[in-house]
Amino acid sequence: QVQLQESGPGLVKPSQTLSLTCSVSGGSVSNGGYYWSWIRQHPGKGLEWIGYIYYSGSTFYNPSLKSRITISVDTSENQFSLNLNAVTAADTAVYYCARANLVSTALEYWGQGTLVTVSS
Amino acid sequence: DIQMTQSPSSLSASVGDRVTITCRASQTIRSYLNWYQQKPGKAPKLLIYSASSLQSGVPSRFSGSGSGTDFTLTITSLQPEDFATYFCQESFSTPGTFGGGTYVEIK
Repeated sequence: QVQLQESGPGLVKPSQTLSLTCSVSGGSVSNGGYYWSWIRQHPGKGLEWIGYIYYSGSTFYNPSLKSRITISVDTSENQFSLNLNAVTAADTAVYYCARANLVSTALEYWGQGTLVTVSS
Repeated sequence: DIQMTQSPSSLSASVGDRVTITCRASQTIRSYLNWYQQKPGKAPKLLIYSASSLQSGVPSRFSGSGSGTDFTLTITSLQPEDFATYFCQESFSTPGTFGGGTYVEIK
């Protein structure tokens, strides 16, 4: 059974960089059948796909966030990461990592999510 | 950008009821439509992919239909554990846009 687990600071100051890591177990990020994704959910709101990375390093970023995002993959550690810079209060959200099927792009497995609050 | 509109935004239903949730895309997305269930404080869970394919392990009382722009999620006999929020998501474009959600509460 594939499991994903987010880790990183729960509090980030405005203008700084939000950095999260997703550790994957029960499967390999080097498996070419999947996209490794980040999604966020603002408190009490809907879902927003931030972006994803393929094991080769190819990425796709949501155009609304593209200028501030970097997603990377570390196949040796079987994990992938999100950096979101120049954060504001509007970036306060629960951040999820997930695995998307390459064919359907449905998000099949999700981490439990981590709340990141942007505040001074 | 593709817009996904779910209706209703909330509904009240009783155990055993048949429940139908609809999702409309602003342009054709063929069958690239997925449905998720989310319970409070938990991550979403994939129920249906490619409009009508049941994800492994999901009870058969859940079903999906539709193509093009109009899609439906049906729960044939609502169970206590089904009270949750349901989201549709198009995967025709990248990144796939989510609908606003439908909150299913106990009547």
